[in-house]
Amino acid sequence: AQKITQTQPGMFVQEKEAVTLDCTYDTSDPSYGLFWYKQPSSGEMIFLIYQGSYDQQNATEGRYSLNFQKARKSANLVISASQLGDSAMYFCAMREGIYPGANNLFFGTGTRLTVIP
Amino acid sequence: KAGVTQTPRYLIKTRGQQVTLSCSPISGHRSVSWYQQTPGQGLQFLFEYFSETQRNKGNFPGRFSGRQFSNSRSEMNVSTLELGDSALYLCASSLESGAVSPLHFGNGTRLTVT
Repeated sequence: AQKITQTQPGMFVQEKEAVTLDCTYDTSDPSYGLFWYKQPSSGEMIFLIYQGSYDQQNATEGRYSLNFQKARKSANLVISASQLGDSAMYFCAMREGIYPGANNLFFGTGTRLTVIP
Repeated sequence: KAGVTQTPRYLIKTRGQQVTLSCSPISGHRSVSWYQQTPGQGLQFLFEYFSETQRNKGNFPGRFSGRQFSNSRSEMNVSTLELGDSALYLCASSLESGAVSPLHFGNGTRLTVT
């Protein structure tokens, strides 16, 4: 089974609107972390937001928020007030465990977001 | 604070050759991980180094190897290159290994094997 599933290969959003990018995960480890990264066409992976499995509150970072639904094993990224510069590939990733050596992330296949002016 | 620096940005090699990629982590970060990104396989974990020791390794052949120096800088080596090794190689650093700190990635090295 896939560890991370992103079912939206591509999404379009109007500038200044909000958009939700879906991510579901699969793990039996009670300790895990969920990440979202943005990859522009230049190739760099930009860290956006992190949610730990024991965190009680949904993570927020500026215009980014993570809608964490543990029972449903989903960690959707919400981008508010979209900007043209948000056009990029977005990857959801998971780290299982918090022990040394657990730094390998499992990535989804990504969602290409296009912001329309 | 400077980010993760990877050199070179682009590399063209022929089959059978070997290649060495370099990664300088963010100052103070002790963990360095390497990932391979291809259109077909997506992002895949290669290995992680922490305090000069390999902590974890992905499912790649022995032609892929790495090391970490005392200043946390890391190198990745691929020997006997194959066409399928053409990819974007991304290095990521974090404060600790396996903790809650996020991984910060470099710009990557784009390797083309002809």
